[in-house]
Amino acid sequence: EEHLVESGGGLVQPGGSVRLSCAASGFTFSNHAMVWVRQAPGMGLEWVSLVTASGETTHYVDSVKGRFTVSRDNSNNSLFLQMANLKPEDTAVYFCAKDRGPYGGNPLDSWGQGTLVTVSS
Amino acid sequence: DIQMTQSPSTLSASVGDRVTITCRASQSISSWLAWYQQQPGKAPKLLIYKASTLQSGVPSRFSGSGSGTEFTLTISGLQPDDVATYYCQQYDTLWTFGQGTKVEIK
Repeated sequence: EEHLVESGGGLVQPGGSVRLSCAASGFTFSNHAMVWVRQAPGMGLEWVSLVTASGETTHYVDSVKGRFTVSRDNSNNSLFLQMANLKPEDTAVYFCAKDRGPYGGNPLDSWGQGTLVTVSS
Repeated sequence: DIQMTQSPSTLSASVGDRVTITCRASQSISSWLAWYQQQPGKAPKLLIYKASTLQSGVPSRFSGSGSGTEFTLTISGLQPDDVATYYCQQYDTLWTFGQGTKVEIK
């Protein structure tokens, strides 16, 4: 069974940094692009970042470009999101999700339970 | 950027009712459309992809249709377990989600 478990969320001050992790199991991690999707409290879903299966290519939503960095460690089946210069509007539950293919732009067929990041002083 | 608009925002129906949710894209996305279910307090779950293909394990009362810019998700025989927010998502160009439709039981 495919399984994704996020960790690393918490309370962060504006301007601060945090690193999220996602541990994957139950599928061949290195064959799939991986995505971070966030959900602000009471709001809808927003795609945040993508890393291709090889890790060579990344994409970001405009609102986080230059502040967030996505990476992966295929040897340890792990996905990361380094978040810097955080703003209150980054407050959200962050989900990691598995793309059906290696390059992104496909349906997301497995999701973690999410980790909450709260940006507040 | 491709915008996705769902309607209605909320709907209330009785157990056993047929329920339809509409999703419109701001430009043609062919059939690159998925539907997700998010039950309260849980992660989203993929229901349908390529507009009408049911994901493995999803009950057959869920169905999808449409192409181009207009799509629908139908629940044929609403069940209490279907209480959730439903999101459409285009994957023609990366991803964009609709704003969601909350389904409640009368």
